[in-house]
Amino acid sequence: DAGVIQSPRHEVTEMGQEVTLRCKPISGHDYLFWYRQTMMRGLELLIYFNNNVPIDDSGMPEDRFSAKMPNASFSTLKIQPSEPRDSAVYFCASRPGTGGSNQPQHFGDGTRLSIL
Amino acid sequence: AQSVTQLGSHVSVSEGALVLLRCNYSSSVPPYLFWYVQYPNQGLQLLLKYTSAATLVKGINGFEAEFKKSETSFHLTKPSAHMSDAAEYFCAVSEVFGNEKLTFGTGTRLTIIP
Repeated sequence: DAGVIQSPRHEVTEMGQEVTLRCKPISGHDYLFWYRQTMMRGLELLIYFNNNVPIDDSGMPEDRFSAKMPNASFSTLKIQPSEPRDSAVYFCASRPGTGGSNQPQHFGDGTRLSIL
Repeated sequence: AQSVTQLGSHVSVSEGALVLLRCNYSSSVPPYLFWYVQYPNQGLQLLLKYTSAATLVKGINGFEAEFKKSETSFHLTKPSAHMSDAAEYFCAVSEVFGNEKLTFGTGTRLTIIP
């Protein structure tokens, strides 16, 4: 079975540029989560969706960050304009809707973002 | 609010020795608990989970964890460490009722000494 697929795996861009990270969840999973991982702050939940609807975006750091899920098989996390402090590894995860919160989340391999 | 505390950001053990990674949780009711492992340049993989069915939970790669309500702990163990166990380990908690978030600990980096 295909897991969670993220693209690109690595992104290097200059400050001020727009960055778009992409995620394809596991087919049939109703929940999708975006995380950011840094040495200083560890693993932070940015936003999550249920059935393509954003449920909680309280972890989104600022208005420069936005996320969309236009359909059940695709989500994007966009940063515009990007800043060096946005450099981190961004993970997407998904999990089934049935079974409740005891269902584990399945993670993609992440996008390593470097803003110069 | 729920939270997890992982004691020891770095743990080193010799190959063949016991692995013990500590996790304590804070929650108003017994939550669901998870251990994840992260290898370099990869995402997190589920090792095992506690969902109240049994207090001793067995996971992949020979790991197990015991839920102790009286100690609010969910420590991860493996009887004999292998070189391939070198990775970062995360404990996580989710509420049985309520939001769908997972709250992660700060992680423990496990080093195996040959």
